[in-house]
Amino acid sequence: EAGVAQSPRYKIIEKRQSVAFWCNPISGHATLYWYQQILGQGPKLLIQFQNNGVVDDSQLPKDRFSAERLKGVDSTLKIQPAKLEDSAVYLCATGGRKHSGANVLTFGAGSRLTVL
Amino acid sequence: KQEVTQIPAALSVPEGENLVLNCSFTDSAIYNLQWFRQDPGKGLTSLLLIQSSQREQTSGRLNASLDKSSGRSTLYIAASQPGDSATYLCAVRDNYGQNFVFGPGTRLSVLP
Repeated sequence: EAGVAQSPRYKIIEKRQSVAFWCNPISGHATLYWYQQILGQGPKLLIQFQNNGVVDDSQLPKDRFSAERLKGVDSTLKIQPAKLEDSAVYLCATGGRKHSGANVLTFGAGSRLTVL
Repeated sequence: KQEVTQIPAALSVPEGENLVLNCSFTDSAIYNLQWFRQDPGKGLTSLLLIQSSQREQTSGRLNASLDKSSGRSTLYIAASQPGDSATYLCAVRDNYGQNFVFGPGTRLSVLP
């Protein structure tokens, strides 16, 4: 099966500018996650979708971050305006079941954001 | 609130050694636990997934164990190779939702 596609891979912006990241999940995977990974730390959940509905966005800084998942497939994550502390890798992941029935998390390569 | 820790933060071993990475979690009401590998500048690759009802899973030179009652999992790597050098993260999925909580990772260097 094709993997999780993310773009752009790298983005450099100045503070107060806006940026958008795109994720195309594995076909048929209903659950989609956006994680933020700051250098040296584990990924932290920003938002979780089930199909095109939001399941958990409790850790999303809603004053500057927004996300949507159109038709339960592709998703975009937007930051506006960006702050220096938003410099991180933004990881998209989808959850799907293996033949064992286990819910396995599969990640894209990530989008690295640098805010100057 | 689930918290996940990993010890050690970094580990350097000579090639051929067997090694153990540790993962601890505070809430034992978990659905499953997954071990990942992350190479520099890359996304995470799933290595092993252990369901809450299982004690261990094996894949090649990797063996992961789970002791839910004590809130611990270990990842055992046999006969380490330089290609095993990466950061290893564990993630716990709880019973209350579908969220995965990650540890900070262990950075492994295997020296030739």
